[in-house]
Amino acid sequence: EAQVTQNPRYLITVTGKKLTVTCSQNMNHEYMSWYRQDPGLGLRQIYYSMNVEVTDKGDVPEGYKVSRKEKRNFPLILESPSPNQTSLYFCASSLSTGNYEQYFGPGTRLTVT
Amino acid sequence: GENVEQHPSTLSVQEGDSAVIKCTYSDSASNYFPWYKQELGKRPQLIIDIRSNVGEKKDQRIAVTLNKTAKHFSLHITETQPEDSAVYFCAASSKYGGATNKLIFGTGTLLAVQP
Repeated sequence: EAQVTQNPRYLITVTGKKLTVTCSQNMNHEYMSWYRQDPGLGLRQIYYSMNVEVTDKGDVPEGYKVSRKEKRNFPLILESPSPNQTSLYFCASSLSTGNYEQYFGPGTRLTVT
Repeated sequence: GENVEQHPSTLSVQEGDSAVIKCTYSDSASNYFPWYKQELGKRPQLIIDIRSNVGEKKDQRIAVTLNKTAKHFSLHITETQPEDSAVYFCAASSKYGGATNKLIFGTGTLLAVQP
């Protein structure tokens, strides 16, 4: 089954404790991205990747890191989480660029206290 | 930067009525306009999209119209059903600030279909 998976689905952590949210897709998609969803703000792109070892900032990259060492995986790293990073995070993949259907993962609900 | 505005933020209709959600965008180079539906607690899923070389596209009860001159596009849902209740997001592609197209999303419309 073609899908995008994320782990963990729920995470409660404390300020400053490094964490990683994993994302994996099995559709051989080139383009992957991370979004955060906040009430009233819609979906905002954090980082995206055009292919292996090619990443670029989205609209809200501050406080986040990403890497793309393999085509199927695109982890999101929060080196020192802060309460303003409490949000719902979605990973997405598409065939190529943002001009194609984005397939979203199930989401990760992150709470930073 | 590129901006996508979406209205209304909430919409309540009676079952069987039509619903219309409108979006405007700022980047005149945008050429791809998808609509996503997000049911409560679920992930966004594409329901329809349109590219800039067409003005209208239909898929059963759903249609999207695009006016490139005015830089706005709309989602039309006819004969609404309770299962249409969800948050709907519009988006527009943009290369602004980057080397490749990315999607800029609107802020979402919560559609409630009353039985």
